[in-house]
Parts: sequence; structure tokens; C-alpha cells
Amino acid sequence: ETGVTQSPTHLIKTRGQQVTLRCSSQSGHNTVSWYQQALGQGPQFIFQYYREEENGRGNFPPRFSGLQFPNYSSELNVNALELDDSALYLCASSLAAGGLQETQYFGPGTRLLVL
Amino acid sequence: GENVEQHPSTLSVQEGDSAVIKCTYSDSASNYFPWYKQELGKRPQLIIDIRSNVGEKKDQRIAVTLNKTAKHFSLHITETQPEDSAVYFCAEEGANNLFFGTGTRLTVIP
Repeated sequence: ETGVTQSPTHLIKTRGQQVTLRCSSQSGHNTVSWYQQALGQGPQFIFQYYREEENGRGNFPPRFSGLQFPNYSSELNVNALELDDSALYLCASSLAAGGLQETQYFGPGTRLLVL
Repeated sequence: GENVEQHPSTLSVQEGDSAVIKCTYSDSASNYFPWYKQELGKRPQLIIDIRSNVGEKKDQRIAVTLNKTAKHFSLHITETQPEDSAVYFCAEEGANNLFFGTGTRLTVIP
């Protein structure tokens, strides 16, 4: 196992609601990236947090937002949930150093179902 | 770096045979190419990665080759076992993220 944890494991919400997903990074890592994985697809990059600042964003609307805390754990918030937001949400932690892409280690994911 | 094509989408092999999965990418500046294995309901797990300063890397039954000129890289699994059955994703580094292929579902038939 990677040492990256996520909570909750499963979540059911209805359209229009808001959700907060949490991720604890691996010890020694300072970067957290969030991905959305729809059924049968590869993970799609949402955004990355490095030292508490957003450090890049994929093609996701502003209702997807995030935070990173001083201990490098992170939250993903999604407002105004839509049915298409149903997916597995993965966080990945890494140690960013000098711009060199470091290995990303994934957490177990949160499976979100929007009804 | 957003276009990573992965083939085949499904692959069935007999136990003991080899499996090869290929990916092509578009960004010639990319230098890091990991492969992840994802079992049903589980997290993607890194199985091997390669950086552009080498053409091949091997770890027991798994190897990855990289051709920077042609912009493609491949995963090779030898002596396949039933526990190798999973979905495999290739990925290419972006500025601060990974771009993933669409996945290959590998089935190893006992």
C-alpha cells in the first residue's frame, strides 16, 4: 500500500448538493493531485496542490475547488453536483522537487454516486 | 501532452505467454512515462516507469521500452500469470500532472 488515504470510501448525493472529499498524503510528500475516473476510463486530471497553492488545473469547471493544509493533506469540493460527476475520485501524492516530475502514488479513491 | 493513445483496449493471453501493450504520445518534451495496474475496485498501482534518458527498463517479468523518436512506449509482461489480470494504464507527464491512456483490460487465461 502507498500510505495515501482517502475518505469517505463511498458517497451518495443528489443533484445540486455539495460534497467534500479528503486525502491524506504519504509521509514526506508535499504535493497532492486530484483525478476523476469515470467508469471504464483512465483518470482525468482535476488539479494539483503544492505547498498549499493550486499548481495547475485540468478542464474542470470552477465548481470543482480544493484546498491543501499545512500538513499537506487536501480536500476536493464539488458544488452543484451533476449526474455526470458520478465517478471514482482519486488523489495522488508526490514529492515535487525542482520541477522534476516525481512518481505519483494513488489513494484508494472515493466512489461518488450522484442521483 | 493530452493525447495518449493506448492499444489494445482488451487483451487475452494464455497463462505463460507474453503480453504487450503500446502507447503513443504527442508531446516531444515529455520525459517521464509510468505504467499503472488497476485491479477491479482498487487504486491504480505503479508497476514500472521510465525516464527519457534510457530506452528500456526491466523489473523481473515486467519491462518497458521507450522510443522517443517515434514517441511511443510499450509494456511487456512475460510468463503471464492469472494475477496479472487487471486494467493497465500508461501515462505521460504533463507540466504538473499525468495524462493517462484509456486503459487495456488484460485477461490471463489459466
